[in-house]
Amino acid sequence: DAKTTQPPSMDCAEGRAANLPCNHSTISGNEYVYWYRQIHSQGPQYIIHGLKNNETNEMASLIITEDRKSSTLILPHATLRDTAVYYCIVRVVGATNKLIFGTGTLLAVQP
Amino acid sequence: NAGVTQTPKFQVLKTGQSMTLQCAQDMNHNSMYWYRQDPGMGLRLIYYSASEGTTDKGEVPNGYNVSRLNKREFSLRLESAAPSQTSVYFCASSESWGTQETQYFGPGTRLLVL
Repeated sequence: DAKTTQPPSMDCAEGRAANLPCNHSTISGNEYVYWYRQIHSQGPQYIIHGLKNNETNEMASLIITEDRKSSTLILPHATLRDTAVYYCIVRVVGATNKLIFGTGTLLAVQP
Repeated sequence: NAGVTQTPKFQVLKTGQSMTLQCAQDMNHNSMYWYRQDPGMGLRLIYYSASEGTTDKGEVPNGYNVSRLNKREFSLRLESAAPSQTSVYFCASSESWGTQETQYFGPGTRLLVL
């Protein structure tokens, strides 16, 4: 599975959009980009995933560049409850189907 | 639906003691997983079960055993606990190996080995 690079931390004002970047320059054509988050002391929570098209759901939007070497997770109106560690994961659905978690980005939403 | 449940929530063990961490899911998922998370780190896969009756090693299986008791339940056993196994343990489940598969996590078990 390809390696991802994320900034260790980011701040965002409450009510503003939070844009979390992720670099995955070695991504392969059959690898998906997944985003999970982990609110303090809780189990990780799935947010969104995509292959090459932009995706949107009730939680967030995922923008993947045309060359697929980077992506951005967008939380359109961040709230204090969105403070969490956000993990960008690139994975092939294969024999193990495992998630490889890096250290993620700690998003701190400020009042 | 309760989703994925784990017991116990907290446990303190002495070195050499054994214990079993329990995990159950009520989503009729085929696949289940055990991860550990050390302070300041991401999760690492210990064991997984692709379907009822099968189990396989993940990244860090040493010192652990697992049992897929039935489709709902997947337990993790520490036969002789060591301080290096102090961690937070998360169980997860997913519907299948398909491309749309996502994993759902339990609340975690916090284990301290003295």
